[in-house]
Amino acid sequence: DAKTTQPPSMDCAEGRAANLPCNHSTISGNEYVYWYRQIHSQGPQYIIHGLKNNETNEMASLIITEDRKSSTLILPHATLRDTAVYYCIVRLYNFNKFYFGSGTKLNVKP
Amino acid sequence: EAGVTQSPTHLIKTRGQQATLRCSPISGHTSVYWYQQALGLGLQFLLWYDEGEERNRGNFPPRFSGRQFPNYSSELNVNALELEDSALYLCASRGREGSDTQYFGPGTRLTVL
Repeated sequence: DAKTTQPPSMDCAEGRAANLPCNHSTISGNEYVYWYRQIHSQGPQYIIHGLKNNETNEMASLIITEDRKSSTLILPHATLRDTAVYYCIVRLYNFNKFYFGSGTKLNVKP
Repeated sequence: EAGVTQSPTHLIKTRGQQATLRCSPISGHTSVYWYQQALGLGLQFLLWYDEGEERNRGNFPPRFSGRQFPNYSSELNVNALELEDSALYLCASRGREGSDTQYFGPGTRLTVL
């Protein structure tokens, strides 16, 4: 039970913003939204996480809707090295269940 | 600061054999998680160890087992290997309570022939 729904693939032009959507309509009030990415056959890399408020760090921004049923990961200036599978995950804070769905394969093109 | 390390990088076994995979967490991290990623599939949660105890396991048969040592490193054992066990096995570590993010190692590629 991944609890999240993501499009299987997306394309983005190099230098443009990549906006990756995630639907988590069954999220409960104490569940966080996490984003990881996995570059081919490497270990997943943490990107960002949030609960209610929008978050930004050096890698990306996370926009969570007011009803928390969906979110968008924004890579402001995509590069070829951002080509990866991006996973949106919901989990209880400090809890063990951590379900990775199928993710979105982001193809950044020159 | 060194990240999560895993060994070996690749492991080739035959059906019925046993495989042992090892993971060293980030220094100071006490929780270790194991995941299986079969080719073309997402990550499936296997096991969670914290402070030397198994805290939870995913929907895998008992021939998948492991342990966590006093230095917080961990071992995953897979007995009676089957062809379907061929996968990338990923280990992640997390710090003490209050630190929530899991950091992943590079994985061990297990091939069962």
